[in-house]
Amino acid sequence: DAKTTQPPSMDCAEGRAANLPCNHSTISGNEYVYWYRQIHSQGPQYIIHGLKNNETNEMASLIITEDRKSSTLILPHATLRDTAVYYCIVRVLWDYKLSFGAGTTVTVRA
Amino acid sequence: ETGVTQTPRHLVMGMTNKKSLKCEQHLGHNAMYWYKQSAKKPLELMFVYSLEERVENNSVPSRFSPECPNSSHLFLHLHTLQPEDSALYLCASSQEWDTNQPQHFGDGTRLSIL
Repeated sequence: DAKTTQPPSMDCAEGRAANLPCNHSTISGNEYVYWYRQIHSQGPQYIIHGLKNNETNEMASLIITEDRKSSTLILPHATLRDTAVYYCIVRVLWDYKLSFGAGTTVTVRA
Repeated sequence: ETGVTQTPRHLVMGMTNKKSLKCEQHLGHNAMYWYKQSAKKPLELMFVYSLEERVENNSVPSRFSPECPNSSHLFLHLHTLQPEDSALYLCASSQEWDTNQPQHFGDGTRLSIL
């Protein structure tokens, strides 16, 4: 069952910030938001996760709305190597399964 | 080496062969997972291990047999597979299975059944 909704594709200019939206309107209070990406022929790569506060690491920033019904992954300076399928996933602690949907295919153009 | 390493990266086998996929993690994690990724389908969780004990067997056919000899290694033994088993098999690990810590994936084994 899809718990998240993402646009199927988006383009981004190299060097610019990429803002990837995700809708999770049915999220429960104990579900975390995770972001992964998958570059062709590689396994999914963990990017970032959060519960309700905004998070930042060396790869990206995660902005979660106050009502937690949506979030945005921000890649601050997109490079050609950021071209990948990006997955937004919600998961509760006691469910070990990561449910990957269709994701957003992000193409970074020079 | 760091992270999660899977071998071989590619495997072609006949339906009557027996082969094994190997996964090794160097992250000090206690939980390990096998996933299957078929073309145009979402990832399917197959097996979950925590401290070498199987936590989940997600209705996987018996022709797939997992083995977890220690918390750093995970195997998937294959025998008498079907053409529909051709897929990318991914291994992942996490600190524990029931925390918010993320799963980290290897690059997978691309399996083709002739």
